[in-house]
Amino acid sequence: EVQLLDSGGGLVQPGGSLRLSCVASGFTLSSYAMSWVRQAPGKGLEWVSSITGGGGAPYYADSVKGRFTISRDNSRSTLYLQMSSLRVEDTAIYYCAKAHVSDWLVRDWGQGTLVTVSS
Amino acid sequence: DIQMTQSPSSLSASVGDRVTITCRASQGISTWLAWYQQKPGKAPKLLIYTASTLQSGVPSRFSGSGSGTDFTLTISSLQPEDFATYYCQQANRFPLTFGGGTKVDIK
Repeated sequence: EVQLLDSGGGLVQPGGSLRLSCVASGFTLSSYAMSWVRQAPGKGLEWVSSITGGGGAPYYADSVKGRFTISRDNSRSTLYLQMSSLRVEDTAIYYCAKAHVSDWLVRDWGQGTLVTVSS
Repeated sequence: DIQMTQSPSSLSASVGDRVTITCRASQGISTWLAWYQQKPGKAPKLLIYTASTLQSGVPSRFSGSGSGTDFTLTISSLQPEDFATYYCQQANRFPLTFGGGTKVDIK
């Protein structure tokens, strides 16, 4: 059974940094593309970033480019999202998302971790 | 960027009703489309991928159709557990984009 366990969220001041983690089990992380998707309070889903199975060139939404970095440690079965220069508008639940071997449609979701950016 | 427009944004329906939600892409996306169901306080759940393939374990009353720019999610007979918000997502090209969501509530 695929499981994605998100963690690392919390309260941070504007301009601060935070690192999110997603521990994967039930599948071989290196074989799958992975993404982060966020959802601001009361709003819809917004794609944040994606990375290929082999850790190739990542993709970022314009709203986070230059501030967020996606990475993976396949030996630890863990996906990361390093967030810096955080803004109030980054406040959201962040979901780790597993795609497919051959496309980027999300197949499985983590439970989400809440990031609150506030002074 | 590919814009995904869902309609309606909300609807009220009764148990047993047939419900149809549409998603229109601003440019052709072949069949690189998925539908998700989200209940309050929960993570989204995959229902349909590649426009019409039913995810394992999802009831057969859910179906998807379409290709190119116009897509449909149909619930053939609405059940109490189906009251939720539904989202479409395209994965034809980056940035990946989602529709704005359709909230289905009880009439």
